[in-house]
Amino acid sequence: AQTVTQSQPEMSVQEAETVTLSCTYDTSESDYYLFWYKQPPSRQMILVIRQEAYKQQNATENRFSVNFQKAAKSFSLKISDSQLGDAAMYFCAYRRRPGGSNYKLTFGKGTLLTVNP
Amino acid sequence: NAGVTQTPKFQVLKTGQSMTLQCAQDMNHEYMSWYRQDPGMGLRLIHYSVGAGITDQGEVPNGYNVSRSTTEDFPLRLLSAAPSQTSVYFCASSYAISTYEQYFGPGTRLTVT
Repeated sequence: AQTVTQSQPEMSVQEAETVTLSCTYDTSESDYYLFWYKQPPSRQMILVIRQEAYKQQNATENRFSVNFQKAAKSFSLKISDSQLGDAAMYFCAYRRRPGGSNYKLTFGKGTLLTVNP
Repeated sequence: NAGVTQTPKFQVLKTGQSMTLQCAQDMNHEYMSWYRQDPGMGLRLIHYSVGAGITDQGEVPNGYNVSRSTTEDFPLRLLSAAPSQTSVYFCASSYAISTYEQYFGPGTRLTVT
């Protein structure tokens, strides 16, 4: 079974600085997808960024980027120029390559990010 | 598009009561699922469906029933609520083919006393 581990229950960052959230996963699959979701106090789950395992290039979305190390099974999220609105719980998630009934997302336990003004 | 909607947003039940959490999507997604979120546990899959008439169990199915009679709706039933079912419940949906993003509803906070 796949597992996702987020070793940092809480992190804090100063506004305008950079922070990196860690995620490791365990799988025997070679083709899969990885995601970072943001959950602000409103509770809504918001997709921040995704990475296909077959792509060597790290995904980037504006101030958000990932460092995907397939051999090490590591998938960290870097937030640059942190803003107060980035404060949220962040979840790392894994999904097998879609097919049949393979749509399950496996989540880590989350990292609570605080942004200090 | 309303996306994924869930009702109610909040609910308090007494132990032993039953209720149904509603989930609907208007994106014609084949795949729908229910997760529960507990403090320090992340989100865990309860049940899922890959199309009307097809459902299957996830990681934590005990105490919950589902059915999928239409593409749009995927209700979650608690037959006899227990305090251990106090949680936040999320419904999610996605296309079954060639995409991988799941869209989440706003969640239902359920308290069982």
